Amino acid sequence: AQSVTQLGSHVSVSEGALVLLRCNYSSSVPPYLFWYVQYPNQGLQLLLKYTTGATLVKGINGFEAEFKKSETSFHLTKPSAHMSDAAEYFCAVTGNTPLVFGKGTRLSVIA
Amino acid sequence: ETGVTQTPRHLVMGMTNKKSLKCEQHLGHNAMYWYKQSAKKPLELMFVYSLEERVENNSVPSRFSPECPNSSHLFLHLHTLQPEDSALYLCASSQDRKEGYEQYFGPGTRLTVT
Repeated sequence: AQSVTQLGSHVSVSEGALVLLRCNYSSSVPPYLFWYVQYPNQGLQLLLKYTTGATLVKGINGFEAEFKKSETSFHLTKPSAHMSDAAEYFCAVTGNTPLVFGKGTRLSVIA
Repeated sequence: ETGVTQTPRHLVMGMTNKKSLKCEQHLGHNAMYWYKQSAKKPLELMFVYSLEERVENNSVPSRFSPECPNSSHLFLHLHTLQPEDSALYLCASSQDRKEGYEQYFGPGTRLTVT
């Protein structure tokens, strides 16, 4: 079985500051990991995914995430926050089951 | 139309009504999904269809009834709902239901049960 824990239901950063959203997973098989973003009144949009190979994954809008097996983590980062990054972010894992999502982290960006 | 579309975007219904949610994917995918998104709760997977066959039903109450007439269309039929069923219902599709394939989501239907 798989599970995901997102640390911090709400993260607030200043515009131009580093964005760090934390995700830890549990999986009994090699995991596939995803980050999705949800803007108000919209569905989820894929930011990036890790399947196999390179552990540093680059996604859209300047986001990237690093798969660290030893820490069972897949944290999402962006060097410089933009106002348009304000949204809800979801980490998800799958291995031998359908996608399992975390509870989400709401990112606020302060001007 | 591109991607995954859902209609209606908003729905208000009484507990005795019958309504249906519609989802259509224009991506040529083989798998489709219904999710329920409630405030402060993780996304809940409700149903999975693969090549028009239901392959997963996560203990969803019988007042929710899915239908997949072909690989591009997915419906969720609703009847005698409860106020706690108010939520955002999201449809998604993927190339295959196997792990590793990302899911593409529609914009959702905001359902309010009065």
